[in-house]
Amino acid sequence: GENVEQHPSTLSVQEGDSAVIKCTYSDSASNYFPWYKQELGKRPQLIIDIRSNVGEKKDQRIAVTLNKTAKHFSLHITETQPEDSAVYFCAASYTGNQFYFGTGTSLTVIP
Amino acid sequence: GAVVSQHPSWVICKSGTSVKIECRSLDFQATTMFWYRQFPKQSLMLMATSNEGSKATYEQGVEKDKFLINHASLTLSTLTVTSAHPEDSSFYICSASPSGDPDTQYFGPGTRLTVL
Repeated sequence: GENVEQHPSTLSVQEGDSAVIKCTYSDSASNYFPWYKQELGKRPQLIIDIRSNVGEKKDQRIAVTLNKTAKHFSLHITETQPEDSAVYFCAASYTGNQFYFGTGTSLTVIP
Repeated sequence: GAVVSQHPSWVICKSGTSVKIECRSLDFQATTMFWYRQFPKQSLMLMATSNEGSKATYEQGVEKDKFLINHASLTLSTLTVTSAHPEDSSFYICSASPSGDPDTQYFGPGTRLTVL
């Protein structure tokens, strides 16, 4: 089955700086890669996603890049704000099938 | 739109008893629902995939006789933890994929199970 690894496990940045979280996956058939943000005790919320036919996608301060050859994808958050502090999970999926999540990154934005 | 609810949000039970958790898609139909388990400060671990009207598909290592899943309608899936033990204490989260949009999963708020 799919194996998704995520780094780093914890990340602290100063407010206004950028944060980058990286994930790798093992199954070359995976073609959908969502990113979720989870605040303590709450449900995961989709923040951005990318499909395998696209190399990069951006939504305001958030961007995701995908390298299919290397089987890795990254989340980039620019101009970080304290409210960005949360746990972020990447996931990989083959269309219509199960999501396999990374181990999570706890992001702390220091005011 | 696209709201998924879970009930109960928190349950405490005695060891040996069974607990049923409901997952409902409130404003859309979901052919497929997923059940995850999450330990504190850890990732979501997929337990099983539930398809309406058919048997659930369990991930390797998940005991299907212990975690009974029923997906009787397009808006409801249930997870029953049978003969619960303290090690079953965890946060259980469901998600639902709208029919016709298999890439999207909307997550429920989770159910915290504590087994004494």
